[in-house]
Amino acid sequence: AQSVTQPDIHITVSEGASLELRCNYSYGATPYLFWYVQSPGQGLQLLLKYFSGDTLVQGIKGFEAEFKRSQSSFNLRKPSVHWSDAAEYFCAVGANYGGSQGNLIFGKGTKLSVKP
Amino acid sequence: DARVTQTPRDKVTEMGQEVTMRCQPILGHNTVFWYRQTMMQGLELLAYFRNRAPLDDSGMPKDRFSAEMPDATLATLKIQPSEPRDSAVYFCASGLGTSGRNTGELFFGEGSRLTVL
Repeated sequence: AQSVTQPDIHITVSEGASLELRCNYSYGATPYLFWYVQSPGQGLQLLLKYFSGDTLVQGIKGFEAEFKRSQSSFNLRKPSVHWSDAAEYFCAVGANYGGSQGNLIFGKGTKLSVKP
Repeated sequence: DARVTQTPRDKVTEMGQEVTMRCQPILGHNTVFWYRQTMMQGLELLAYFRNRAPLDDSGMPKDRFSAEMPDATLATLKIQPSEPRDSAVYFCASGLGTSGRNTGELFFGEGSRLTVL
């Protein structure tokens, strides 16, 4: 069965420091992978996605993620964190259903706090 | 700016009452999903539709929850009777699937926060 693990529940970084949020997935085929961000009281916003091709993908707000098949990982990175990046981040894998999109299976999320 | 619209944003009700949440997916999207978010369980899939047909509702308690798409512009999630354990944020999301150039991302509404007393 497909699953997503985000090992870090809560991470605190200083503003201007680099960030890496970890995500490991379990999926039998080539996965569709996503990172979403959720600010308090808001819905989820797509940061970036991977479905094929270049394993380093760029997203919005200066985020990037690298797909590593050998490690079943899709870690999210940002070279310099801004205070406005404080939010909860969700990694997700797209589950196929009959050859097309099924639902997205989400990790439990990582809450990011940013220190001034 | 196309977006998924959900109503109500907040709902407080008493145990045993019926609750209906509504969702207007992005025009042209053919898949619609209902997720529930709680602190303990995170994001759980309740049901989803493709071209208005229900494909999977295994995540829903069948005795009290029901999900429908009366037409392409409206999805509903109903709880009857509601219980305190149903308190959560309910998200609707829509998408275009993975056919052709579509890559399966979902677009989320802002959620309906339900509190059952």
